[in-house]
Amino acid sequence: AQSVTQLGSHVSVSEGALVLLRCNYSSSVPPYLFWYVQYPNQGLQLLLKYTTGATLVKGINGFEAEFKKSETSFHLTKPSAHMSDAAEYFCAVSLWEGAAGNKLTFGGGTRVLVKP
Amino acid sequence: GAVVSQHPSRVICKSGTSVKIECRSLDFQATTMFWYRQFPKQSLMLMATSNEGSKATYEQGVEKDKFLINHASLTLSTLTVTSAHPEDSSFYICSAPTSGEGEEQFFGPGTRLTVL
Repeated sequence: AQSVTQLGSHVSVSEGALVLLRCNYSSSVPPYLFWYVQYPNQGLQLLLKYTTGATLVKGINGFEAEFKKSETSFHLTKPSAHMSDAAEYFCAVSLWEGAAGNKLTFGGGTRVLVKP
Repeated sequence: GAVVSQHPSRVICKSGTSVKIECRSLDFQATTMFWYRQFPKQSLMLMATSNEGSKATYEQGVEKDKFLINHASLTLSTLTVTSAHPEDSSFYICSAPTSGEGEEQFFGPGTRLTVL
């Protein structure tokens, strides 16, 4: 079984400030980890993913995340927040189930508010 | 990236009626698609896995007779909410994974269902 915990359902940051969204996971096997962003009334868009290799992963829109196995974490950061970053962010862990594909388990989500 | 569409984007229906939601992969084939439900201010909950050419696999607690899934072709999966009730009002999102272990899923834009 796998699970994902996102600390903080809401985060408020000032424009230009650091964005830090926390994600911890549990998985019985080495995980594949994802961060998705959702704008109101829209589907999810992939920000970045970790599968294997380099533990610091860079994504779109200036976001990056670091996989830390010892801490079972995959926190998302952006050095300088922009107004357009206001959205809901979901961390997810994937379990490969062969023919059934990659089954995602989502965290509870973190809503980011950017103040001017 | 790959594109997944959903139709309709929004539907309002009377209690007791049935509603069909379509999910299409536009530029790739998907033998598997996933259906999620998202209540306001909550995370995505996996409802079922749609399998082309075979029966869908439902998550625990999801009524298969209420949420009928048909994966008629490699690019189309449909979710029919039968005898809808107000508590079925939600945001329904489908996704389709590209093939390969660790690959991300591509999400449709979602369908907002409101049952009066």
